[in-house]
Amino acid sequence: QVQLVQSGAEVKKPGASVKVSCKASGYTFTSYYMHWVRQAPGQGLEWMGIINPSGGSTSYAQKLQGRVTMTKDTSTSTVYMELSSLRSEDTAVYYCARARSPYSSSWAFDYWGQGTLVTVSS
Amino acid sequence: DIVMTQSPDSLAVSLGERATINCKSSQSVLYNSDNKNYLAWYQQNPGQPPKLLIYWASTRESGVPDRFSGSGSGTDFTLTISSLQAEDVAVYYCQQYYSTPYTFGQGTKLEIK
Repeated sequence: QVQLVQSGAEVKKPGASVKVSCKASGYTFTSYYMHWVRQAPGQGLEWMGIINPSGGSTSYAQKLQGRVTMTKDTSTSTVYMELSSLRSEDTAVYYCARARSPYSSSWAFDYWGQGTLVTVSS
Repeated sequence: DIVMTQSPDSLAVSLGERATINCKSSQSVLYNSDNKNYLAWYQQNPGQPPKLLIYWASTRESGVPDRFSGSGSGTDFTLTISSLQAEDVAVYYCQQYYSTPYTFGQGTKLEIK
C-alpha cells in the first residue's frame, strides 16, 4: 500500500533552516510528482511547490522563491523540503502529497504524509 | 494566481439533511483541450492530513461514500453531502490544479446542528 512517512517535529530559531523528509513506499517513486503543502496553526492549506522525482525538476510558490529547495534521493525513495531564513510565520505543519496520476503534475493529491510540525521560536 | 473562495465559512446541518458547500475560482479552471475542470475537494479532520474526496470536479475518489458529490464547471463549483452523517463533521477545502500555484479555498467548517 502507498505510504508517505515524514520526519519528526522540529523546533528552530528565527533565521535558521529546516529540512523535512518524506519517504515514499508502495509505488514506483519516480513515476509520481510530489507536492509540499503547509498549514499554519488554525489556518488553511498553502501550496509550496512540486518536485518531479524522476528528473528532479521543481516549481515553487512565488512567495517562497529563494527560501525553499525541494530535492529527491531516488535510492531511498525520499523527497526533501528545505526552508531557510525561518521566521515565526513559517510555524506550520508541513505535508508532502502525491499527485494522483503518474507522469503528470496537473492532478489532485491522493496520498498525504502524516505532517511535520515546524515551530519557529526564539 | 487563481483565487479560490468558498462559502459559507461555516455550516451547521442536522443529521440526515443535505449540506452544500460552494467554491468559486477567480478564473476558469476548465481546460478546453480535454474539457475537464481541474478542481478537487478535500476533507480534513483535526490533527489529520486532508483526504481527497472528489477530483475533476465531479469524480468521486475510490472508497468515498456516494453521499458525497461534486458539480459545477468553469468558475463555480459545489460539494454536496446528500444525507449528513456524524462522521462528516470536518473542514472541507476546494483546490484548483489548473495552474501553479495550486491554490486552495479558505475552508468550510461543517458541524452538526
